[in-house]
Amino acid sequence: EAQVTQNPRYLITVTGKKLTVTCSQNMNHEYMSWYRQDPGLGLRQIYYSMNVEVTDKGDVPEGYKVSRKEKRNFPLILESPSPNQTSLYFCASSFSRGGNTIYFGEGSWLTVV
Amino acid sequence: GENVEQHPSTLSVQEGDSAVIKCTYSDSASNYFPWYKQELGKRPQLIIDIRSNVGEKKDQRIAVTLNKTAKHFSLHITETQPEDSAVYFCAATAVGNAGNMLTFGGGTRLMVKP
Repeated sequence: EAQVTQNPRYLITVTGKKLTVTCSQNMNHEYMSWYRQDPGLGLRQIYYSMNVEVTDKGDVPEGYKVSRKEKRNFPLILESPSPNQTSLYFCASSFSRGGNTIYFGEGSWLTVV
Repeated sequence: GENVEQHPSTLSVQEGDSAVIKCTYSDSASNYFPWYKQELGKRPQLIIDIRSNVGEKKDQRIAVTLNKTAKHFSLHITETQPEDSAVYFCAATAVGNAGNMLTFGGGTRLMVKP
């Protein structure tokens, strides 16, 4: 079954404690991306990757890091989480560039206290 | 970069009525416009999309129209049902765009009252 898998789905953490949200896709997609979703602000892109070892900033990259060492994985790293990073995070993937269907993971609810 | 505005932010209709959600975009290079439906607590899922070489596309009770001159596109849902209740997002991008693949609108919460 084609899918994008994120972990953890739910996490409560404390300010400053590094955490990683993993994302894996099994569709051999070149493109992967992270979005955050906040009430009234829709979906905003954090980082994206066009292929292995190729990453770039989206609209709201501050406070986040990513890596793309393998095609299937695209982890999101919060080196020093802060309360304003409390949000719902979605990983997404698709073939190639704009105009192809984007598949979203199930989402990761992150609370930073 | 692209900017997508979506209206209304909330929409309440009676079951069986039609619902219309409108979006405007700023980048004239955008030529792919998908719509996503997000049920409570779930991921966004593509329900319909349209490319700039057509002005309208239908899929059963759902249709999307596009006016490239005015830079706006709309989602039309006819004969609404309670299961249509969700948040709907429009988005825009340019096919072949190597950067920010999709720019999303702020979302519309649709409530269909039985």
